[in-house]
Order: sequence, then C-alpha cells, then structure tokens
Amino acid sequence: NAGVTQTPKFQVLKTGQSMTLQCAQDMNHNSMYWYRQDPGMGLRLIYYSASEGTTDKGEVPNGYNVSRLNKREFSLRLESAAPSQTSVYFCASSEAAVANYGYTFGSGTRLTVV
Amino acid sequence: QKEVEQNSGPLSVPEGAIASLNCTYSDRVSQSFFWYRQYSGKSPELIMSIYSNGDKEDGRFTAQLNKASQYVSLLIRDSQPSDSATYLCAVNSPNSGYALNFGKGTSLLVTP
Repeated sequence: NAGVTQTPKFQVLKTGQSMTLQCAQDMNHNSMYWYRQDPGMGLRLIYYSASEGTTDKGEVPNGYNVSRLNKREFSLRLESAAPSQTSVYFCASSEAAVANYGYTFGSGTRLTVV
Repeated sequence: QKEVEQNSGPLSVPEGAIASLNCTYSDRVSQSFFWYRQYSGKSPELIMSIYSNGDKEDGRFTAQLNKASQYVSLLIRDSQPSDSATYLCAVNSPNSGYALNFGKGTSLLVTP
C-alpha cells in the first residue's frame, strides 16, 4: 500500500523560481492537507481541501497556491520562491474532515531556497 | 490561531520507566485529539487517538483526556530506547475545517 506519495523528496530552488510539489493518495480519502515544518515552529497548516472541489487557506498561506486536481491529488505551488519558504513540506490525507480519524502523512519534501 | 501547547523537552527517562507527555489546548470546541510520533528526518506517525473524557489504552500507550481542563496526556509504559522520538499533540480545529492544529512537540529520550 503506497498511502500518501509526495514528489520530489528533495529540491533546491533559487530565489524567484517556481515549483509544484505533488501529492497523491490511494486510500480514497476525502480530505487532504499541506503543512510545513520548521525547527521550533512545529507543523503549520498551509492549505487544506476538505473534499474534492474545495480548497481553503490555513495558518500560513501567503506565497502558496494549491490545486485539488481530483480526489487523489492535491498539489502545492510556489510561484516565486523565497528563502523564508525553506522548510520540510508534508502532505496528509484523512477519511473525512469532520469526525477526524487522524491523518496519514506523506514522507515529506525537503525544500531549500537559496 | 488556537493554541496547542507542549513542553519542548527533552524529557529523559530510563529504560523501563513510564514516560508522561502533556499537552494543553485552548479551543474548547475541539472534538478529536491525537498523538503522533516523529523520528528525526521522518514523517509523523499516528499512535493514539482519543475523543471522549477518560483513558484509552493501546498496548504500552495510554492517552488521557480531560476536556474540562483542556488537557491531553500520553503515558508510555516500559519505555524503550526505540521510543526516543518527538511526540506531537494534535487537536482538531472546527474553525479551520476541522484541520488538525499541532503542538510543537516534546522530545523524548529513553536512556538504556
């Protein structure tokens, strides 16, 4: 069982470059999430999609956009990368948003912006 | 942003002892509570969930919830060196579509 698959695992960008982080889940989950994790800051929610066709901002959405392409896939785009976006990015999915049964996380993308 | 607070640690316990990890949350309407374990360089892994007041046991792990005090705890009995990791408390947030709000984590070190 693949679970939640994130690509790429590592990426180095120059300031101002753009990129898309890909996330796909094969568990037929309705809800998907993007978090970033920084030392001393914990996991912070960037965007989430409670169900196919909907997306909403989380705690730290500035500088990011998302697309819920279908039920399986939820991508995160950095239009113009900044050093402050250096972080580890985790995608997660859950069966449903309400009555949350917990998340399954992907393995993460370690992004460095220079 | 509603808060989820944890002591950052490190919490050091000897092998075989009970490790006690604590978490407080500020959003009174939260309904679901989780403990995740995260090894260095890895993704978080769900180890316990609890939804009602009281204790919930699963093997060596016990989660405790007190909604009146807005307090969640995790007890790890017979701690092993392999339990050394960061433990994340997570609480659902109705104000953001029930997405989970995470604490910053408590680092646990179990010494042989």
